[in-house]
Amino acid sequence: SQKIEQNSEALNIQEGKTATLTCNYTNYSPAYLQWYRQDPGRGPVFLLLIRENEKEKRKERLKVTFDTTLKQSLFHITASQPADSATYLCALWPYNQGGKLIFGQGTELSVKP
Amino acid sequence: ETGVTQTPRHLVMGMTNKKSLKCEQHLGHNAMYWYKQSAKKPLELMFVYSLEERVENNSVPSRFSPECPNSSHLFLHLHTLQPEDSALYLCASSPDRANYGYTFGSGTRLTVV
Repeated sequence: SQKIEQNSEALNIQEGKTATLTCNYTNYSPAYLQWYRQDPGRGPVFLLLIRENEKEKRKERLKVTFDTTLKQSLFHITASQPADSATYLCALWPYNQGGKLIFGQGTELSVKP
Repeated sequence: ETGVTQTPRHLVMGMTNKKSLKCEQHLGHNAMYWYKQSAKKPLELMFVYSLEERVENNSVPSRFSPECPNSSHLFLHLHTLQPEDSALYLCASSPDRANYGYTFGSGTRLTVV
């Protein structure tokens, strides 16, 4: 069956450390993968898009990697801050699925001061 | 504000009521989407409109009826809903269906009593 899996348990880290979130997928062939941030009671906010032929993408303190062999994307936040606390969603755009963006269930990140 | 506006923010309705959710974007985007987000579950795609034409109906019950009168407006008409339909309903838009991040509204928190 097709699955997108993100850490279901919340990730708690100390301010200043690097947060690493994982997105694994099974039985999809994604053309690209996206990461979003969602705060409670709000809609997701788009952060980064990485294509299948790209290994790594950076934006300020954010870094995304994409390994199509491992079927995994890693999302890193360096020098994390309490304001980074939120739920982070990965979403992939698979080939041969009629043009749908499919989301994982998200990982909640909590950055403690 | 993200550029995608949803109204109302909160809605409580009885199972025999008829109500409508409204979404508006003035970003010049050509594609608009309805997603359902239930607690601890991934976002579920409901409907996709591209250039005002419905291109995706993701096996959604007929008690949900979308309408896209123009490229800036999207409605979700609701009738005879069930308590399990209670969820956060999110509207999103994108420049085109592929290769872009989505811009989400803040959602309508729907409670069916």
